[in-house]
Amino acid sequence: QKEVEQNSGPLSVPEGAIASLNCTYSDRGSQSFFWYRQYSGKSPELIMSIYSNGDKEDGRFTAQLNKASQYVSLLIRDSQPSDSATYLCAVNRGDSSYKLIFGSGTRLLVRP
Amino acid sequence: EAGVTQFPSHSVIEKGQTVTLRCDPISGHDNLYWYRRVMGKEIKFLLHFVKESKQDESGMPNNRFLAERTGGTYSTLKVQPAELEDSGVYFCASSLNMEEQYFGPGTRLTVT
Repeated sequence: QKEVEQNSGPLSVPEGAIASLNCTYSDRGSQSFFWYRQYSGKSPELIMSIYSNGDKEDGRFTAQLNKASQYVSLLIRDSQPSDSATYLCAVNRGDSSYKLIFGSGTRLLVRP
Repeated sequence: EAGVTQFPSHSVIEKGQTVTLRCDPISGHDNLYWYRRVMGKEIKFLLHFVKESKQDESGMPNNRFLAERTGGTYSTLKVQPAELEDSGVYFCASSLNMEEQYFGPGTRLTVT
């Protein structure tokens, strides 16, 4: 079992819809959770971080964390074609280095 | 504020040769990380510097890989001698607080 699991997709949504991206993690000691967006051939771009249970909103993005269920999600409201990318979930176990453990990513396609 | 920069963007070398990758972190970021993504796999942690000291090098695959961060500024990652399985994209990330990590554009290494 991978430590961070994501559905590889592609997840296809029409423009203007809500895209829901999900991620589960196996280490209950994980402390910090991140969503990165990666366009093809580009670097991962940090778009959201979340540290406590509940929702965190930033513009069109909402991150949701449920530590009891070991589940993190990212909602993108009013999806735009420019949101089409691979979304990477990353988890920090809070060890000495705070290294990130990545999922394999979910590819999102927003249809015009 | 300039982001993380990496050089070169691409490198093609033959098996047995040596390659040195360079990373310049965001100014003022004491924490510098190296990650690698090999074809079809997740991004994986290699090592973490705090200033010039190696905090965690548990992800380094073997002793053919040598990372340095002289003076606590830029870092280099040397692969000597390179093997076919070393091919992939090498990312550098930097962080002010070990939480949010900002990635560079990566170096695509191809070993033939």
